[in-house]
Amino acid sequence: DQQVKQNSPSLSVQEGRISILNCDYTNSMFDYFLWYKKYPAEGPTFLISISSIKDKNEDGRFTVFLNKSAKHLSLHIVPSQPGDSAVYFCAASGHFGNEKLTFGTGTRLTIIP
Amino acid sequence: DGGITQSPKYLFRKEGQNVTLSCEQNLNHDAMYWYRQDPGQGLRLIYYSQIVNDFQKGDIAEGYSVSREKKESFPLTVTSAQKNPTAFYLCASSIRGGSPYEQYFGPGTRLTVT
Repeated sequence: DQQVKQNSPSLSVQEGRISILNCDYTNSMFDYFLWYKKYPAEGPTFLISISSIKDKNEDGRFTVFLNKSAKHLSLHIVPSQPGDSAVYFCAASGHFGNEKLTFGTGTRLTIIP
Repeated sequence: DGGITQSPKYLFRKEGQNVTLSCEQNLNHDAMYWYRQDPGQGLRLIYYSQIVNDFQKGDIAEGYSVSREKKESFPLTVTSAQKNPTAFYLCASSIRGGSPYEQYFGPGTRLTVT
C-alpha cells in the first residue's frame, strides 16, 4: 500500500517557467513532509521541508505548499533552471521522535532550455 | 568534511553469494538507514537503527541483515535468500529525536548479481 504517491512520473517545463510537482499521502499520522532531489547514480539531497502546522514554506526559488484537508502537498520551483533537471522525491514522517521516512515513487523533472 | 561514505560504488556478485555493503558516517548522527531503489520505484526502507546495538526491520527486510556495533558504521549484508538483489542501495543518517527529520544520504552502491 503506497502511503505517499507521486502520480506524475515525469514533467517537462520550459526554462524560466514555474515547475509544480505534486504529492499525495493517505496516512493522517504524517506530520512532517520533505522534498529530496536526486541526480542519476547519486544519493538524494534534501531540498525543503514543511511541518503540518504550516501550509507554506519558502526557500529561495523553492516553495512547498501543504493542504492537510486534501492530504496533498506540492513543490513549486520558480524560475526553473536547467540544473533543476533531476528526480524529485516527496517523503513523509510520523510523530515526533520517529525519524522513519516514507518516500513516494519520484517525478523526473526535465527543464527544456 | 562531514558526510556519509558508501563503498564500493559498483559491486558485482554471483548468485548464491552473500555480499556486504559498507556505510560510514562522521556526522555524529545516532540514526542510520538502508534503502534500495529500483527503476520506477521510490526508496524502500530495508533496515534502520536509531542507536548502537539496536536496529529494526523496515518494509522489505527479508533477505537482508545488518549490524550496528559502532555509531559510525551500519553495514548491510545482502544474503543469498534475497530473491532480487540487483538494485541501487542507499545509506542515510539523521539526528535522532531532533527536528527537522532530514536524512543525509551517501552516494549509493549499485549491486549487480548475475
